[in-house]
Amino acid sequence: DAGITQSPRHKVTETGTPVTLRCHQTENHRYMYWYRQDPGHGLRLIHYSYGVKDTDKGEVSDGYSVSRSKTEDFLLTLESATSSQTSVYFCAISVGTGGPDTQYFGPGTRLTVL
Amino acid sequence: AQTVTQSQPEMSVQEAETVTLSCTYDTSESDYYLFWYKQPPSRQMILVIRQEAYKQQNATENRFSVNFQKAAKSFSLKISDSQLGDAAMYFCAYRDTSGTYKYIFGTGTRLKVLA
Repeated sequence: DAGITQSPRHKVTETGTPVTLRCHQTENHRYMYWYRQDPGHGLRLIHYSYGVKDTDKGEVSDGYSVSRSKTEDFLLTLESATSSQTSVYFCAISVGTGGPDTQYFGPGTRLTVL
Repeated sequence: AQTVTQSQPEMSVQEAETVTLSCTYDTSESDYYLFWYKQPPSRQMILVIRQEAYKQQNATENRFSVNFQKAAKSFSLKISDSQLGDAAMYFCAYRDTSGTYKYIFGTGTRLKVLA
């Protein structure tokens, strides 16, 4: 357990509505990530952050935005949810003694867009 | 771009037997990290084992060990004395040390353990 929580754990929403998922960590780690998991695709990186207000895009960033105003919180926003964004979303941190060399994951959020 | 391939979508093993899960990757980097993660039905992603590319010795963690073949870009996971609790999805992952700190995951192998 790396002290990572995600909220909500489950959400059902309708197409076109905005959705924000929250990732919270308790140990002030610098690197945080958002992934989505879909059958046959493994985990795909949406966005990641390497510090407060420092973020970068991953391979599937279209339709998603992120914000990190505090070290402990990393927010993922779907501005206008679509059915293709139905997925399980994982937050992760990256830690290591010589650098961020190992990832640990939150429990995941199952999002359904109707 | 780096890629990670897990060519076995599903595997089965008899309880107490040994099974090997395959992973290959493609990179032009010389220094990187490789990982195996386990995802049981609870959905939680659990780190199983980690290998640093500059280390020739294969990593081991109790019943879990890897066969790291750097030249062949192969990173297989061996599970010895399989237990019912080992049933899960297993993901291979790669991260290079170039500074982007991005991780790349394979598509996973579902392991079934037969009693």
